[in-house]
Amino acid sequence: GQSLEQPSEVTAVEGAIVQINCTYQTSGFYGLSWYQQHDGGAPTFLSYNALDGLEETGRFSSFLSRSDSYGYLLLQELQMKDSASYFCAVKGSGGYQKVTFGTGTKLQVIP
Amino acid sequence: DVKVTQSSRYLVKRTGEKVFLECVQDMDHENMFWYRQDPGLGLRLIYFSYDVKMKEKGDIPEGYSVSREKKERFSLILESASTNQTSMYLCASSSGQLSGNTIYFGEGSWLTVV
Repeated sequence: GQSLEQPSEVTAVEGAIVQINCTYQTSGFYGLSWYQQHDGGAPTFLSYNALDGLEETGRFSSFLSRSDSYGYLLLQELQMKDSASYFCAVKGSGGYQKVTFGTGTKLQVIP
Repeated sequence: DVKVTQSSRYLVKRTGEKVFLECVQDMDHENMFWYRQDPGLGLRLIYFSYDVKMKEKGDIPEGYSVSREKKERFSLILESASTNQTSMYLCASSSGQLSGNTIYFGEGSWLTVV
């Protein structure tokens, strides 16, 4: 089987940096993705890591350590619009087409 | 602009009814998915399909079936709806290439079973 663990809620101050962690256990692994979902909206893709290390996309960065089955999403210079739920997702737990999501982390950005 | 369209945004059905949720994508993607989303449980995979007429069970397939007769269309079927199937259902698609790492989601279908 597979499981992904994330903190359920995180609160951070506008302008600060926040890290959202994800640990996973899967039978197969091709990569770790991150998605953002605002209330009432659809999840949208943020980043993908197939190899160990850091991927940077603007204010967002994502890190992967395959040996530790661990990744994180780093959000810098937080803005109020970053308040949303963030999901990590594993590709490959049962064929490379299959994508399994975590339970999500609700980020609240406060002034 | 990529688009995944779910036919119904809000539905109310009675227990025991047969329910069809339809999804169409315009990106010529090989893979299509159905997830349900419930508070505190995240997105749980019901079924996915990697080709026409092909389907694979996800993590919670019980009580559901799917149909993929055409590449662009993936239907989720609740044979006999029950109240514990009240949820938000998300359809999604992605490229079948190994490097196809982005999943595109529809806006979701809110189903209430009474």
